[in-house]
Amino acid sequence: AQSVAQPEDQVNVAEGNPLTVKCTYSVSGNPYLFWYVQYPNRGLQFLLKYITGDNLVKGSYGFEAEFNKSQTSFHLKKPSALVSDSALYFCAVRDRNTGGFKTIFGAGTRLFVKA
Amino acid sequence: ETGVTQSPTHLIKTRGQQVTLRCSSQSGHNTVSWYQQALGQGPQFIFQYYREEENGRGNFPPRFSGLQFPNYSSELNVNALELDDSALYLCASSLAGQGDTGELFFGEGSRLTVL
Repeated sequence: AQSVAQPEDQVNVAEGNPLTVKCTYSVSGNPYLFWYVQYPNRGLQFLLKYITGDNLVKGSYGFEAEFNKSQTSFHLKKPSALVSDSALYFCAVRDRNTGGFKTIFGAGTRLFVKA
Repeated sequence: ETGVTQSPTHLIKTRGQQVTLRCSSQSGHNTVSWYQQALGQGPQFIFQYYREEENGRGNFPPRFSGLQFPNYSSELNVNALELDDSALYLCASSLAGQGDTGELFFGEGSRLTVL
């Protein structure tokens, strides 16, 4: 079965500092991995994904994520945080071998960027 | 290209009533997934529809049911509403099969309050 863990409920960072939001996953096959962002009272917006190839993937708004197969992790990073990055971030996984089209989400990590 | 639209945006029901939520998928997409997001939690997979058939289901009771229409729009029906059904219901469309890029495109959600 697929599962996603986001070990931090909240991450606080000062504007201009680098940020990392952690994610680990469990699938029985090969994963598709995703990050989504949610602003208050809105739906989720796609940020970036890992399908295959380079372990470092770049996405929207300067975000990037590193796929680490041995650690089953897919941490979200940004070199310099902005106040406008404050939002709820979700990691998600889809097992391309056994999960069909089902995408499973983590519980989310709230990011606060302080000016 | 039109995005995913959901209706209604907000609604209030009482315990025991029934509700129908609607979703129009993004142009060119053939798959619709429904998620329940309770306050402060991540989206929980309810089910997915592909070619008008249910194509995977999460841990939700049978009183949660759905339909997909030939134009790929979809409905989520919930019977015998319970207080715990209060949540944001998210619809996401995607393209399955050839051209599948993996990510989901979400609507803004329907917020259901059960009193």
